[in-house]
Amino acid sequence: AQTVTQSQPEMSVQEAETVTLSCTYDTSENNYYLFWYKQPPSRQMILVIRQEAYKQQNATENRFSVNFQKAAKSFSLKISDSQLGDTAMYFCAFMSRYGNKLVFGAGTILRVKS
Amino acid sequence: SQTIHQWPATLVQPVGSPLSLECTVEGTSNPNLYWYRQAAGRGLQLLFYSVGIGQISSEVPQNLSASRPQDRQFILSSKKLLLSDSGFYLCAWRSSGTGATEAFFGQGTRLTVV
Repeated sequence: AQTVTQSQPEMSVQEAETVTLSCTYDTSENNYYLFWYKQPPSRQMILVIRQEAYKQQNATENRFSVNFQKAAKSFSLKISDSQLGDTAMYFCAFMSRYGNKLVFGAGTILRVKS
Repeated sequence: SQTIHQWPATLVQPVGSPLSLECTVEGTSNPNLYWYRQAAGRGLQLLFYSVGIGQISSEVPQNLSASRPQDRQFILSSKKLLLSDSGFYLCAWRSSGTGATEAFFGQGTRLTVV
């Protein structure tokens, strides 16, 4: 069974600085998708970024980028120029390309300080 | 455009009482549907997912059940609630088929069992 591990329960960063959130996963499959979701205090889930495992190039969305290391089964999220609005819980998620089960990690609470 | 409705937003129920949470999706057909539970300050636990009417996959054996009586309706139920059923319940949908398609979440239901 696929599992997703986020080893950092909480992190904090100063405004305008860069922070990296860690995620590792366990799977025997070769084709799959990885996601980072954000859950602000409103509790609405918002997709931040996604990565297809067959693509070697790391995904980037404005200030958000990932470091996808397929061999190491690692999928970290880098947030550059952190803003107060980035304060949220961040979830890493995995889904097999040939399945429909979307599995999330335990989450990392990120606090951006002014 | 597609929308997802989840209700009620808040629910307080006594131990031993039944539960019914409903989720409906508009603007799409044959979606994949998901129920997650989030305990206080913790991650998203996948409870059930469905790829079609009457097709339910259960991830966690417990006193909860799910049903999909119509294509865009997903119901989470319990015959007798336990204190441990308290939490924040999220319904989500995503397009069926392969691809790193985004999952869209409802606003959630905060359930307190007393």
